[in-house]
Amino acid sequence: DARVTQTPRHKVTEMGQEVTMRCQPILGHNTVFWYRQTMMQGLELLAYFRNRAPLDDSGMPKDRFSAEMPDATLATLKIQPSEPRDSAVYFCASGPEGLATYNEQFFGPGTRLTVL
Amino acid sequence: DAKTTQPPSMDCAEGRAANLPCNHSTISGNEYVYWYRQIHSQGPQYIIHGLKNNETNEMASLIITEDRKSSTLILPHATLRDTAVYYCIVRVNNDMRFGAGTRLTVKP
Repeated sequence: DARVTQTPRHKVTEMGQEVTMRCQPILGHNTVFWYRQTMMQGLELLAYFRNRAPLDDSGMPKDRFSAEMPDATLATLKIQPSEPRDSAVYFCASGPEGLATYNEQFFGPGTRLTVL
Repeated sequence: DAKTTQPPSMDCAEGRAANLPCNHSTISGNEYVYWYRQIHSQGPQYIIHGLKNNETNEMASLIITEDRKSSTLILPHATLRDTAVYYCIVRVNNDMRFGAGTRLTVKP
């Protein structure tokens, strides 16, 4: 049963601390997405990768957020320094192909981040 | 700049068909209509997608009007586990933008 996994599932930290969220895409998927969900803004696309290269990160605050794919089995989203307004659920999703328009995205369970 | 419009909430009786509407009057010719749902505290889940023709899978049916300006997602026999927020999305690439969705509540 192939699934996207995310760690940690919950993270509570203090303002100013660095936060790293990890995602393991489904094996064989070459497109990875990061989303953020809050009550106020709903689901927002932060960034996405194809074949480990960043294609679009226009939805991500560049001054404190960074997203990388060190290898095909790991995607990371880092916040440094974290702020209370970063509190949200962060979802990772992966897809089987980058160019086809008809492919679905498979979402992970999310990381619930609380910044105090 | 919302590309889709959905009612904020709907109720449906268990066992009955749930018909969720979506307006996408500015849809382009190469944009697909996708439906996802999000059950409380879980990640969104793909349901179905289509371009012009009606589509059916094991989860739902998608009816797209001939002018493609609106569509309806049909859950033929809604169960309590179908209670979720349903998102209608139009997309042409991997840039998938979620709106507010419709909160469907299936009642016993």
